[in-house]
Amino acid sequence: NAGVTQTPKFQVLKTGQSMTLQCAQDMNHNSMYWYRQDPGMGLRLIYYSASEGTTDKGEVPNGYNVSRLNKREFSLRLESAAPSQTSVYFCASAEGGAVPYEQYFGPGTRLTVT
Amino acid sequence: RKEVEQDPGPFNVPEGATVAFNCTYSNSASQSFFWYRQDCRKEPKLLMSVYSSGNEDGRFTAQLNRASQYISLLIRDSKLSDSATYLCVVNSWGKLQFGAGTQVVVTP
Repeated sequence: NAGVTQTPKFQVLKTGQSMTLQCAQDMNHNSMYWYRQDPGMGLRLIYYSASEGTTDKGEVPNGYNVSRLNKREFSLRLESAAPSQTSVYFCASAEGGAVPYEQYFGPGTRLTVT
Repeated sequence: RKEVEQDPGPFNVPEGATVAFNCTYSNSASQSFFWYRQDCRKEPKLLMSVYSSGNEDGRFTAQLNRASQYISLLIRDSKLSDSATYLCVVNSWGKLQFGAGTQVVVTP
């Protein structure tokens, strides 16, 4: 039981390049989330998916797109990377429902955009 | 103003001592509250939920003060392994808001 896995662990991009961050969970959770974490700031929600086939914007969606490929997988795409997107990206999953309870996080992807 | 605010610390605590810190939130309609723990360069993990009546889990005690809109975490008999950043998390209408975290450093 791996929990939540993310790839890659580290990535360096040049401004304007694109890339996709992959996330998968094996806990049969309905909800999945993408966050970014910057120094001195709390985790900020980029996008979330309450269930397979649905996605919604979070607090900071600009510059990102997501795909809920199936119940297990939720990917985050940067179409044209900018230095402001240098951050640590965490994927998380939860059982879902009206009141979120425990979210399980992946190990994170450390992205640097030069 | 941030919706969830925490003292960033660090709180330097001798091993065996007690440390406590608070987190304030701005949305009076917030429904549920959590403390997560994050080790250096690792992912956050749920430490405990915070109930209205206050709750304890071993050496950890969480309190909620709705009137003043803050939650607190107290760690008794601190261990070296308690060194981490503690994230305050507030649920408002299904959306989780994370604080930036309070760093605790337990020293021998």
